[in-house]
Amino acid sequence: EAGVAQSPRYKIIEKRQSVAFWCNPISGHATLYWYQQILGQGPKLLIQFQNNGVVDDSQLPKDRFSAERLKGVDSTLKIQPAKLEDSAVYLCASSSDSPLHFGNGTRLTVT
Amino acid sequence: ELKVEQNPLFLSMQEGKNYTIYCNYSTTSDRLYWYRQDPGKSLESLFVLLSNGAVKQEGRLMASLDTKARLSTLHITAAVHDLSATYFCAVDRSTSGTYKYIFGTGTRLKVLA
Repeated sequence: EAGVAQSPRYKIIEKRQSVAFWCNPISGHATLYWYQQILGQGPKLLIQFQNNGVVDDSQLPKDRFSAERLKGVDSTLKIQPAKLEDSAVYLCASSSDSPLHFGNGTRLTVT
Repeated sequence: ELKVEQNPLFLSMQEGKNYTIYCNYSTTSDRLYWYRQDPGKSLESLFVLLSNGAVKQEGRLMASLDTKARLSTLHITAAVHDLSATYFCAVDRSTSGTYKYIFGTGTRLKVLA
């Protein structure tokens, strides 16, 4: 089976610019997650979707981050405007039950 | 709030030696997972532990779960260089019909030749 696809792999932007990440989960996986992983730390959940509805976005900085999952398949995560502390790897994962299947991530550097 | 702690955070060990990584979690959870992450790569699932007393083994790695103590261990037997990576444990809990996964801080393992 095809894995979780993410793009781009790398992105460098200046602070206050905007950026968007894309994720295509494994076919048939109803649940999709976006995690932020800062260097040297464990993944931190930003937002969780069940089909195209949000289950948990309690740790999403909503003043600058937004995410959507149209038609319950692909998802995009946007940051606007970016701050230096947003430099991290953004991981998308999907599951039909357990365990999570992760994409390769997008490494964001904010300068 | 569900919290997951691992220790040690860093582990440097000689090839051929044995060691154990510990994972503690703060409240009851449904399942416990161990993942491996190589530098610059994504997370790869190693084990899923479902119930108290569960033990799973793959090669030189063995994971166990004690739900009463809220503790899981990942035991490394006769370490080899290829095991160098960061290991994460994670727990999940069912909420509103879906599972929320919380990850530990990770243990960075370096096996020295």
